[in-house]
Amino acid sequence: ELKVEQNPLFLSMQEGKNYTIYCNYSTTSDRLYWYRQDPGKSLESLFVLLSNGAVKQEGRLMASLDTKARLSTLHITAAVHDLSATYFCAVDSQGGSEKLVFGKGTKLTVNP
Amino acid sequence: DGGITQSPKYLFRKEGQNVTLSCEQNLNHDAMYWYRQDPGQGLRLIYYSQIVNDFQKGDIAEGYSVSREKKESFPLTVTSAQKNPTAFYLCASSVYRNQPQHFGDGTRLSIL
Repeated sequence: ELKVEQNPLFLSMQEGKNYTIYCNYSTTSDRLYWYRQDPGKSLESLFVLLSNGAVKQEGRLMASLDTKARLSTLHITAAVHDLSATYFCAVDSQGGSEKLVFGKGTKLTVNP
Repeated sequence: DGGITQSPKYLFRKEGQNVTLSCEQNLNHDAMYWYRQDPGQGLRLIYYSQIVNDFQKGDIAEGYSVSREKKESFPLTVTSAQKNPTAFYLCASSVYRNQPQHFGDGTRLSIL
């Protein structure tokens, strides 16, 4: 059974600082997704990582995937308040079936 | 504008009552999904459908039922057998492979 663990679950950081969110998963998969959720809102897709070594960047966020280590990272560069949200990683559990298993999410708060 | 429409936004259920949550998409996506989100938790898959007239149980299907009679529609019924239905319910769709799932705005279900 696929398990997905994110850490940290809560992250409070100052504007301008850098930090990394980690997503570990327990069984082989080469499809990993990152989503953002604002309070009380739906999920917004951020990144799709489909192969070992994949790296995607959008603005102050950069995501990477290491399928051998079963690890994805979401790196935040020079955080700003607008990045405050909950970030989820999700892993395809059945080799392309798109049956996703989600981590519990990392609640990020960026303080001025 | 293409997207996923969930209704109602808020729903209240009485004891012993079945309620149905609506999910409609005009993205021409083959696959549709229902997730449940509890406070501070990730998303858990209830049911998913990869094609019309076919659907599979997810990780927490007990107390729920679905139908997929049309490509555009994937309603979820929360039956009286679901003893703890209070949660945020999210519907999603995808073109099936290698693309992120698109989410609706959710339905918040509470017990009266």
